[in-house]
Amino acid sequence: RKEVEQDPGPFNVPEGATVAFNCTYSNSASQSFFWYRQDCRKEPKLLMSVYSSGNEDGRFTAQLNRASQYISLLIRDSKLSDSATYLCVVNSGSSNTGKLIFGQGTTLQVKP
Amino acid sequence: EAGVVQSPRYKIIEKKQPVAFWCNPISGHNTLYWYRQNLGQGPELLIRYENEEAVDDSQLPKDRFSAERLKGVDSTLKIQPAELGDSAVYLCASSQVPGLGTDTQYFGPGTRLTVL
Repeated sequence: RKEVEQDPGPFNVPEGATVAFNCTYSNSASQSFFWYRQDCRKEPKLLMSVYSSGNEDGRFTAQLNRASQYISLLIRDSKLSDSATYLCVVNSGSSNTGKLIFGQGTTLQVKP
Repeated sequence: EAGVVQSPRYKIIEKKQPVAFWCNPISGHNTLYWYRQNLGQGPELLIRYENEEAVDDSQLPKDRFSAERLKGVDSTLKIQPAELGDSAVYLCASSQVPGLGTDTQYFGPGTRLTVL
C-alpha cells in the first residue's frame, strides 16, 4: 500500500463548479500535511498547508481528519486557471524532519 | 529573489552513458533535496542534505547514483551508468530551516532526462 494515496482522476468540471479531492495516508504518526499544485511540465508549488482545524484560502478549503487519516481539498467556483495536478503531501513520521511523501496527484481540467 | 536554479533543463543520452545534474538552491536555504518524478507520479525523495551533510539517502540507488553538496550550497547529482528506467524529471528543492517539517520546500524547474 502506498503511503499517500489519491484518486488520479482526471476530474473534468465546468467553470464555476465545486470540486473535491480526497487523499488518505498510512502513517498515523505523520504531523504535517500539505497540498501542492503542479502545472503541466512545471515544478510543484505549495498551495496550502492543512491544519487539524481546517483552513481556507479564498476559494480553497483544506480539511484534515486524523482519526480516518484523510485529507481533502475543496475548490469552489472553479476557474480555467485552476486546471493543474494537485498533489497531496504528508511529512513522513513523527519526527517531522522535512521528508515529504507525495501522492501521485489528482488532475483537474476545468472547461469553459 | 532568484528561485532554485537547475541545469540542464533537458538531457538526452544513450543508456550506459553518465549524466550529471546541477542545482543552486535559494540563497540562505540550508536544506537541499533531490527528487525524481516519473510520468504520472508524484516526486520521490532521493536524497536530503542539511548544509553539506547527507541526512537521508535511503532512497538513492547507490550502485549508480551519487550526489554531493560541496560547501553546503550547490549540489550535483550523477548517474553512471544510466539505464532506460532512469528516464524521469529530476527535481531539486530547498528549504530554509533544517529538520523543520513544516518549512516550505521550493522546487526548481527540474531536469527532464531521456535515456535511449
